[in-house]
Amino acid sequence: DIQMTQSPSSVSASVGDRVTITCRASQGISTWLAWYQQKPGKAPKLLIYAASSLHSGVPSRFSGSGSGTDFTLTISSLHPEDFATYYCQQGDSFPFTFGPGTKVEI
Amino acid sequence: QVQLQESGPGLVKPSQTLSLTCTISGGSIISGSNYWSWIRKPAGRGLEWIGRIYITGTTDYNPSLKSRVTISVDTSKNQVSLMLTSVTAADTAVYYCAGDYTQLGFDPWGQGTLVTVSS
Repeated sequence: DIQMTQSPSSVSASVGDRVTITCRASQGISTWLAWYQQKPGKAPKLLIYAASSLHSGVPSRFSGSGSGTDFTLTISSLHPEDFATYYCQQGDSFPFTFGPGTKVEI
Repeated sequence: QVQLQESGPGLVKPSQTLSLTCTISGGSIISGSNYWSWIRKPAGRGLEWIGRIYITGTTDYNPSLKSRVTISVDTSKNQVSLMLTSVTAADTAVYYCAGDYTQLGFDPWGQGTLVTVSS
């Protein structure tokens, strides 16, 4: 299985801050990497697919980059509704696997 | 737009079979992704992909669960189902169904349903 790691596990930030989350795959996955946002009691929502493509309806303050084994999710200016947990997920090979999550909190 | 809704018992006894159904509304099961996955999240742990089904019935399963999992599809009812046999407390989790675009991620997701394994 491809192991996904994320750093940091949590980050304290303020509204307006720029936040960057890193995701690393245990082997190369090209650009088959997705990012999700999950709020308590809610289902995850797709933010980014294919490492850098913004899903429909997702604000442009979210961006993704990377290829191979190293990826980043950047929120350029935190909004109040962005406080949540973020997960990366590889779609390169079975079984699909997720990172452990990064909690963005105040 | 397409919406997914999971349903099934919220409590299952150890060694018994967990059975859930995902109903797709607002669109046809044979449109969009055409693949449908089940994913779970145990409390305090990360997301785990269980497996998926194509509308023709072809399945892919997580090897860690393969011996206990069956995913099926009923296109006439716009439903996908999950069966997990011989459950233990480790199978207690929120179970989600989701549209599966393979390399392009999962979307949309159902709201999730909590299944507790306990006697």
